[in-house]
Amino acid sequence: SQTIHQWPATLVQPVGSPLSLECTVEGTSNPNLYWYRQAAGRGLQLLFYSVGIGQISSEVPQNLSASRPQDRQFILSSKKLLLSDSGFYLCAWSVPNSGRKNSPLHFGNGTRLTVT
Amino acid sequence: AQTVTQSQPEMSVQEAETVTLSCTYDTSESDYYLFWYKQPPSRQMILVIRQEAYKQQNATENRFSVNFQKAAKSFSLKISDSQLGDAAMYFCAYRNTGTASKLTFGTGTRLQVTL
Repeated sequence: SQTIHQWPATLVQPVGSPLSLECTVEGTSNPNLYWYRQAAGRGLQLLFYSVGIGQISSEVPQNLSASRPQDRQFILSSKKLLLSDSGFYLCAWSVPNSGRKNSPLHFGNGTRLTVT
Repeated sequence: AQTVTQSQPEMSVQEAETVTLSCTYDTSESDYYLFWYKQPPSRQMILVIRQEAYKQQNATENRFSVNFQKAAKSFSLKISDSQLGDAAMYFCAYRNTGTASKLTFGTGTRLQVTL
């Protein structure tokens, strides 16, 4: 069966410090991968998605970047965190080429990031 | 761009009663998929139910069912025989048929279940 791992679970970082959140998927090949952010009391905003190694699409301009160095690894980074980067970050995967399949997104447990 | 609207920030239901959560969406596509996710206090996102736009029959999953009105672009979730464990944030989500399978979420409805 497929599993998704996301870490760390919580993180407190000072303004201006770097960030690296990691997500890995097991039990599937060439998944679509996603990073979402959920601000307090708000819905989920798509930040990045990837349909293959080295292929990253950004949905909103921001202080963050994403990379996919391996097939099932997705990393969210920042060189210098801002206060506004605080939030709950969720990694997710879906089956590849799922455009016309009734395939949902499967989410990790999330990372609560507090920038102080 | 597609948008998803959940007009009820909070709802409350008594245990064993039925509650309906509303969701509307805006799209120019004719083929797409709709989902309801549940987010309990643990903040894990759990798939509740899904619906294909080309299917007229409403999806059901045990106590959960949807009322899909394609012409009205409405996708409400009905929870029957509500249980304390149903208390959570509920998110409606839309996905088109593109390869990237991106989900667009509503802002959520917080459901309280009372004794």
